[in-house]
Amino acid sequence: AQSVTQLGSHVSVSEGALVLLRCNYSSSVPPYLFWYVQYPNQGLQLLLKYTSAATLVKGINGFEAEFKKSETSFHLTKPSAHMSDAAEYFCAVSGTYDMRFGAGTRLTVKP
Amino acid sequence: GAVVSQHPSRVICKSGTSVKIECRSLDFQATTMFWYRQFPKQSLMLMATSNEGSKATYEQGVEKDKFLINHASLTLSTLTVTSAHPEDSSFYICSAAGASGSSYNEQFFGPGTRLTVL
Repeated sequence: AQSVTQLGSHVSVSEGALVLLRCNYSSSVPPYLFWYVQYPNQGLQLLLKYTSAATLVKGINGFEAEFKKSETSFHLTKPSAHMSDAAEYFCAVSGTYDMRFGAGTRLTVKP
Repeated sequence: GAVVSQHPSRVICKSGTSVKIECRSLDFQATTMFWYRQFPKQSLMLMATSNEGSKATYEQGVEKDKFLINHASLTLSTLTVTSAHPEDSSFYICSAAGASGSSYNEQFFGPGTRLTVL
C-alpha cells in the first residue's frame, strides 16, 4: 500500500521567508508524487509532480520539490513566501489504481 | 487542457431529498473518475472509483445505496446522495484520469460541490 505523511498540520511564515512543507512517502513501487494547493471552497490545483524524470521538480508559482529516495521524502519549498501563498497544501502519491493524500498542511503567511 | 467541471458548485437541500452532482471532463475522455469527500479542515477521503460502463468500486465504509455513482460516458460521472441528512453535508470533489499526455494515474480535479443539508 502507498501512503504519504505530511509533517506539520500548520506552518506559519513571514512574507518573504522560505517556505518548507514536509512530505514523506511510503511505497513498494517507484512512486508518482504530487503536491496540490487548495484555496477555501475550491478544488485542488496541481503545483507540481514527480514522475521519475528528474529528482528536482519545478512547479507553478515559484514552488519546487526534491525527490529523495534515501529519505523517502518529497518536501515542497519556495524561496520567498507571498501573501497569496496562504492556503492548504496536500501531498499525494499515485498508486496503481488510486491516489492517496496526506492530511494537509495549512500555510499561513504573516505580513 | 485536462479540465474537469462540477455542477452545481453549491447546493442546499432539505433532509430526506436526493441531490445529484455532475462531474464532467471537458476536453478529454476520462477512463476513470473518482469521488472524494472532504470535511472541514481535513484531507480528501476517497469514496469511490468508477470506470465508464462499469459499477463503481466503493471504499470501505461508504454506503453504496446512499451514494449512487453512475459513469455512463467517458466524459460524465454523477454522484447522487439519496435521502440526504445533515451528516451528509460536506464538500464533494470529483477527479478524472486518462487525459492524453498525463502521467500515470494522474488525476485532474473538479472545483468541488458544497452540499448543505438542512
